[in-house]
Amino acid sequence: AQTVTQSQPEMSVQEAETVTLSCTYDTSESDYYLFWYKQPPSRQMILVIRQEAYKQQNATENRFSVNFQKAAKSFSLKISDSQLGDAAMYFCAYKDNAGNMLTFGGGTRLMVKP
Amino acid sequence: EPEVTQTPSHQVTQMGQEVILRCVPISNHLYFYWYRQILGQKVEFLVSFYNNEISEKSEIFDDQFSVERPDGSNFTLKIRSTKLEDSAMYFCASSEFRTGGNQPQHFGDGTRLSIL
Repeated sequence: AQTVTQSQPEMSVQEAETVTLSCTYDTSESDYYLFWYKQPPSRQMILVIRQEAYKQQNATENRFSVNFQKAAKSFSLKISDSQLGDAAMYFCAYKDNAGNMLTFGGGTRLMVKP
Repeated sequence: EPEVTQTPSHQVTQMGQEVILRCVPISNHLYFYWYRQILGQKVEFLVSFYNNEISEKSEIFDDQFSVERPDGSNFTLKIRSTKLEDSAMYFCASSEFRTGGNQPQHFGDGTRLSIL
């Protein structure tokens, strides 16, 4: 079974600085997808960024980018120019190509200091 | 932007009672999901639903659980005889196409289920 691990329960960053959230996963599949979801307090999870395993190029969405290392099974999220609105719980998630199920990591709570 | 909506936001039920959690997926979406998160634990997949039938389910989704799309807009999760360990946040999600790819799943705010 696939597992996703987020080793940082909490992180904090100064406003305008850069922070990297870690995620590792375990799978025997070669074709799969990885996602980062953001969950602000008392709000729904929203998709931040996604990466297809067959793509070598790292995904980027504005201030959010990933460092996808397929051989190391690592998928970290970098947030540049952090803003107060980035404060949230961040979940890393895995899905293989055939199925519907998302497998989530335990989450990292990001605090942004003004 | 269209959203997945879930009702109620908080449900308190006596152990052994039946409970129905309701979700309205995004209107043009075809795939529907339920996940749960027990306090302090990971978000866990329960079930996915397409074309009026279950397409995938986890080991958690045993005989006490059922899902239904009773009309064109609602998607429900029923727990037949609730146990204390069913206390959790339940998330509904939907996606537009068959998720054999990177189609994102859009999540609702969740229903917090408390079993007494």
